[in-house]
Amino acid sequence: DGGITQSPKYLFRKEGQNVTLSCEQNLNHDAMYWYRQDPGQGLRLIYYSQIVNDFQKGDIAEGYSVSREKKESFPLTVTSAQKNPTAFYLCASSTLTSGGTTSTDTQYFGPGTRLTVL
Amino acid sequence: KQEVTQIPAALSVPEGENLVLNCSFTDSAIYNLQWFRQDPGKGLTSLLLIQSSQREQTSGRLNASLDKSSGRSTLYIAASQPGDSATYLCAVRRTLLLKFYFGSGTKLNVKP
Repeated sequence: DGGITQSPKYLFRKEGQNVTLSCEQNLNHDAMYWYRQDPGQGLRLIYYSQIVNDFQKGDIAEGYSVSREKKESFPLTVTSAQKNPTAFYLCASSTLTSGGTTSTDTQYFGPGTRLTVL
Repeated sequence: KQEVTQIPAALSVPEGENLVLNCSFTDSAIYNLQWFRQDPGKGLTSLLLIQSSQREQTSGRLNASLDKSSGRSTLYIAASQPGDSATYLCAVRRTLLLKFYFGSGTKLNVKP
């Protein structure tokens, strides 16, 4: 079964701790993304990556870090510098467009990780 | 910066009704627009993707339209069912950049 997996489903963090959220995909997608969702709000982009060993900041990257050492993996670390980390975190992936008339860049999402600060 | 707005924020309808969800965006220079469904506590499931050169896409009881010049998209759901109850989000991709802008969603409740 092709898809995106995220772990853990629930995560609790103490003040001052760093935590890492896992995201793995077996869709052979080049692009991967991390979003944050707060109650009643849309998704906000944290980081995205188009290729291994390269990634770009999204709109709310402060207090977060990522790595892309393998095509199928894009872990997100929530550092102690993130002052309000309690949220629902979603990982997604997509192909990259060829620049032609047909695009297959539908975004596919994982099931999410709910992070709570104690 | 691209702003995406969805109205209404919540909608409750009786089963069997046809309904329209709205999505508006401020910058017409988009690459594509995608509609998603989200069930409580779950990830997003893609419903329809419309390229900037297209006017509409259909899948089963769902039809999505796109009017770039007016900055609007609609998602039409025919003969609604209780299983359609979920939050529906639209997302706009800005040109060739890998940045997607999401609306805050419309929470739909279809009553049996």
